[in-house]
Amino acid sequence: GESVGLHLPTLSVQEGDNSIINCAYSNSASDYFIWYKQESGKGPQFIIDIRSNMDKRQGQRVTVLLNKTVKHLSLQIAATQPGDSAVYFCAERTGSSYKLIFGSGTRLLVRP
Amino acid sequence: GAGVSQSPSNKVTEKGKDVELRCDPISGHTALYWYRQSLGQGLEFLIYFQGNSAPDKSGLPSDRFSAERTGGSVSTLTIQRTQQEDSAVYLCASSLEGNGYTFGSGTRLTVV
Repeated sequence: GESVGLHLPTLSVQEGDNSIINCAYSNSASDYFIWYKQESGKGPQFIIDIRSNMDKRQGQRVTVLLNKTVKHLSLQIAATQPGDSAVYFCAERTGSSYKLIFGSGTRLLVRP
Repeated sequence: GAGVSQSPSNKVTEKGKDVELRCDPISGHTALYWYRQSLGQGLEFLIYFQGNSAPDKSGLPSDRFSAERTGGSVSTLTIQRTQQEDSAVYLCASSLEGNGYTFGSGTRLTVV
């Protein structure tokens, strides 16, 4: 399928290394955040979420960190694998609306 | 259904024609969202339906774009008098209130 994110910033990592993908969000009133993974030709796939009353949340091989002071979100992937190669987006939600607003995305390339 | 289903998966249309894109959300999900993703770009919010409330249409780029959600389930996004700049992947998502956001695989629209 057609690739997404041809003009996105790219992070290239060696297989087995840890990856850190960063996101600056726009609205200081946002209270819920999600990281999505998007492979070529597919829709975004949920990875992990975090609410604004937390600053860290861990999943399987992934950790999300939230710094509300500087409106910054990061996704850490431990022991990066070739299957992690994709475009990663952060999304934020504000107040009573359920709509998600997405960041611009980062392409992760895993070198074997 | 088990996931969000979108049809068609691909659509090629001539400039000036109208197109309809369909989204079948996850059964029981109360909220439905449409996004547009142009090549090399992030996800652009278009419109959001929540229960019986008036839809949030704040992301629709022009009056050529409209959407309906019938019976609180299936949604149709209509683009009238298509232009070449409408070429993109149109993604639909649904959620149960503010939880469980799930995306479909999208409809790739090409206007020639």
